[in-house]
Amino acid sequence: SAVISQKPSRDICQRGTSLTIQCQVDSQVTMMFWYRQQPGQSLTLIATANQGSEATYESGFVIDKFPISRPNLTFSTLTVSNMSPEDSSIYLCSVVPGTGAYEQYFGPGTRLTVT
Amino acid sequence: GIQVEQSPPDLILQEGANSTLRCNFSDSVNNLQWFHQNPWGQLINLFYIPSGTKQNGRLSATTVATERYSLLYISSSQTTDSGVYFCAVGSNYQLIWGAGTKLIIKP
Repeated sequence: SAVISQKPSRDICQRGTSLTIQCQVDSQVTMMFWYRQQPGQSLTLIATANQGSEATYESGFVIDKFPISRPNLTFSTLTVSNMSPEDSSIYLCSVVPGTGAYEQYFGPGTRLTVT
Repeated sequence: GIQVEQSPPDLILQEGANSTLRCNFSDSVNNLQWFHQNPWGQLINLFYIPSGTKQNGRLSATTVATERYSLLYISSSQTTDSGVYFCAVGSNYQLIWGAGTKLIIKP
């Protein structure tokens, strides 16, 4: 498995501002993903973070609202832009460490509250 | 797309009890995982089990791929088992998530 850290662990932000969440892995990984978990709900995939190229977004999520970077095989960022109270959620980074196996591991999450 | 249904949605048990959680899915998959989300929000891998049976301590899981369901067994429940249990399935790296089973273990 991989050890995954996220920063910040939690934040309270004002409406209209942006927050960048960092995900750091202790080893090179094949795949990195970003999820959103709204209060009391299951997880929803936002996008696949592709190393050195634009992220692949799921239906309902757009790059202008959730820009993602992945400069190398151990690090990614997710920005939540122009926030509204509806963006209050837990944001989770996950990784698939190697090729040929689908087992996915999650970071501790970032708990975001927008006021 | 694949549909994932988990049952029961909620379960309240006394410490020491056993439980069975079920995950039904609507199409063939080659990726199935069980996760436990603790009350602090951390998601913990329990099993990667697209088919067959696995055991880890008091927990075990069985997936019958031909019948499109998976079961998670928890024996001798402890209060630390409380939280939400998610089943997630897929045909590749991307996972489709069930709504979860919320488990409360009372001391």
